[in-house]
Amino acid sequence: QKEVEQDPGPLSVPEGAIVSLNCTYSNSAFQYFMWYRQYSRKGPELLMYTYSSGNKEDGRFTAQVDKSSKYISLFIRDSQPSDSATYLCAMTRGSNYKLTFGKGTLLTVNP
Amino acid sequence: GAGVSQTPSNKVTEKGKYVELRCDPISGHTALYWYRQSLGQGPEFLIYFQGTGAADDSGLPNDRFFAVRPEGSVSTLKIQRTERGDSAVYLCASSTGTGDEQFFGPGTRLTVL
Repeated sequence: QKEVEQDPGPLSVPEGAIVSLNCTYSNSAFQYFMWYRQYSRKGPELLMYTYSSGNKEDGRFTAQVDKSSKYISLFIRDSQPSDSATYLCAMTRGSNYKLTFGKGTLLTVNP
Repeated sequence: GAGVSQTPSNKVTEKGKYVELRCDPISGHTALYWYRQSLGQGPEFLIYFQGTGAADDSGLPNDRFFAVRPEGSVSTLKIQRTERGDSAVYLCASSTGTGDEQFFGPGTRLTVL
């Protein structure tokens, strides 16, 4: 079993839909949780960063962390075609530099 | 300002050959990281530099892989006796310091025939 599990999709939604992306993890030592967006043939770019359990909102994006369930989520409201990309969850232990990524979920938002 | 750059963007080589992949981090970033992303997978950590020294090389798969950062800026990932299983996108990232946001380059797509 991998340390971080993420459904690779693909996920296809109509423009304006609410998108829910999720990851589970097995190592309780993870403390910092991130979501990256990766467009085709590009490097990942950081979208959201949270520490420990709770919610964090930034515009159309909301990140949730539930450490008791070892489960993290990213919600995208009013999804746009420009949101079409692969979304990667990532997490680190206290050392906070060695990112452990999920497989990524390929999202397509159809106009 | 300029982001992380990586050269070449694509590299095709034959099994058994030696390759070098270059990373130019963002100016002033002291921390530099290499990751490998295989098809359909997330990036996997290879090595981390703080300044000129490799602070953590625990992700290098075997002794055919080696990385250097002699002047604390540009880094080169070197792969000897390449194998078909080495085919992947090699990503470089840099950050202002340990634990800060990592900014990724576009990657080098390595194909071993």
